[in-house]
Amino acid sequence: GNSVTQMEGPVTLSEEAFLTINCTYTATGYPSLFWYVQYPGEGLQLLLKATKADDKGSNKGFEATYRKETTSFHLEKGSVQVSDSAVYFCALRSLGGNEKLTFGTGTRLTIIP
Amino acid sequence: NAGVMQNPRHLVRRRGQEARLRCSPMKGHSHVYWYRQLPEEGLKFMVYLQKENIIDESGMPKERFSAEFPKEGPSILRIQQVVRGDSAAYFCASSPPGSGELFFGEGSRLTVL
Repeated sequence: GNSVTQMEGPVTLSEEAFLTINCTYTATGYPSLFWYVQYPGEGLQLLLKATKADDKGSNKGFEATYRKETTSFHLEKGSVQVSDSAVYFCALRSLGGNEKLTFGTGTRLTIIP
Repeated sequence: NAGVMQNPRHLVRRRGQEARLRCSPMKGHSHVYWYRQLPEEGLKFMVYLQKENIIDESGMPKERFSAEFPKEGPSILRIQQVVRGDSAAYFCASSPPGSGELFFGEGSRLTVL
């Protein structure tokens, strides 16, 4: 079955530091990959996505590249801000399936000024 | 265009009572998904519904849990005879058919005393 493995948190960084949150997946075929962000007390919001190998998703300074050879979709940002503090979820959707997503366990990120 | 609306935002029940959680999808969205988030865990898929149809309920516990999405009105997730282990955040998401993107509500947080 499908599964997503995320870097365990919590992660604490100083403002303007470089961020990497690792995500690897197991799935049949070529799934679509997503990063969702959950701010305190809110629901999940789509941050970025990639639908095929070597695609790069990007939004708000965050990037992730779909790496088929390593089955990974690591999230990166060059310079984080306090406002990036949130929980980040990696997710996949199997090709040909419904829009059901399989989520990782989430990584809590705290940015200190 | 209002987002996905969930209510109540917070619900407290005693063991053995019933919990009803409601979800109104975004306008024009005909697909609804329910997810459960246990403390410090990721989101687990429960059920996928279209109007008057359950499409995939592979994540629903076999007993006490049911879901519906009637022709008129919101989708309802019903938990009968709640137990402490049902305490969690329940998120609803909706999507237009074929879009590949889920839009999440802010969640309903159930506490069972």
